[in-house]
Amino acid sequence: EVQLVESGGGLVQVGGSVTLSCAASGFTFNYAWMTWVRQAPGKGLEWVGRIQSKTDGETTTYAAPVKARFTISRDDSRNTLYLQIYNLQTEDTAVYYCTTGGDWFDPYDAFAFWGHGTMVTVSS
Amino acid sequence: QSALTQPPSASGSPGQSVTISCTGTSSDVGDYNYVSWYQQHPGKAPKLMIYEVTKRPSGVPNRFSGSKSGSTASLTVSGLQAEDEADYYCSSYAGNNINVFGTGTRVTVL
Repeated sequence: EVQLVESGGGLVQVGGSVTLSCAASGFTFNYAWMTWVRQAPGKGLEWVGRIQSKTDGETTTYAAPVKARFTISRDDSRNTLYLQIYNLQTEDTAVYYCTTGGDWFDPYDAFAFWGHGTMVTVSS
Repeated sequence: QSALTQPPSASGSPGQSVTISCTGTSSDVGDYNYVSWYQQHPGKAPKLMIYEVTKRPSGVPNRFSGSKSGSTASLTVSGLQAEDEADYYCSSYAGNNINVFGTGTRVTVL
């Protein structure tokens, strides 16, 4: 059974930083492309960025609004995905989900598996 | 990359059908057969309902179907049931290793 468990969220001050983690199991993590998606309170889903597998170059890509302040990384030895957010702004307040198609679905398309999300609240 | 456009709401009575549109551009929906649809109940994580425009993952009822014409994709829910009441989001690959979500549609079962 695929499991994705996010952690690291909480209350952070404007200008601060946070590192979110996503522990994965139930699939071959090192083959999977991993994606972060966020959802502000009462708003829609927003694609944040993805990291490819090491064999595909471990390339990271970000949505334009977050490019300068977000860093996605992975530790295949720990089956864990990370999202570092710097210089937090109030508009970063959201539930952050990690998601993947595992090693079964096309990585450009199907976000088949989702964690429960971790809430980041940015306070001024 | 702008969000794909969906109607804010749609509704139907039990047993009826409802169709949700997802309008993009020639750079995303119109250029790739990588359109997927997600169902989200309040307080829950999204659930994949359709991928690669028309395919259903295992376990998704065949009441859910997807299609695409030009730069507009559609999700149809036939034989509406109470548990189909939820928010629905489309997503498309937009090139350059980027994906984009739709604005979301709240489906109400009357």
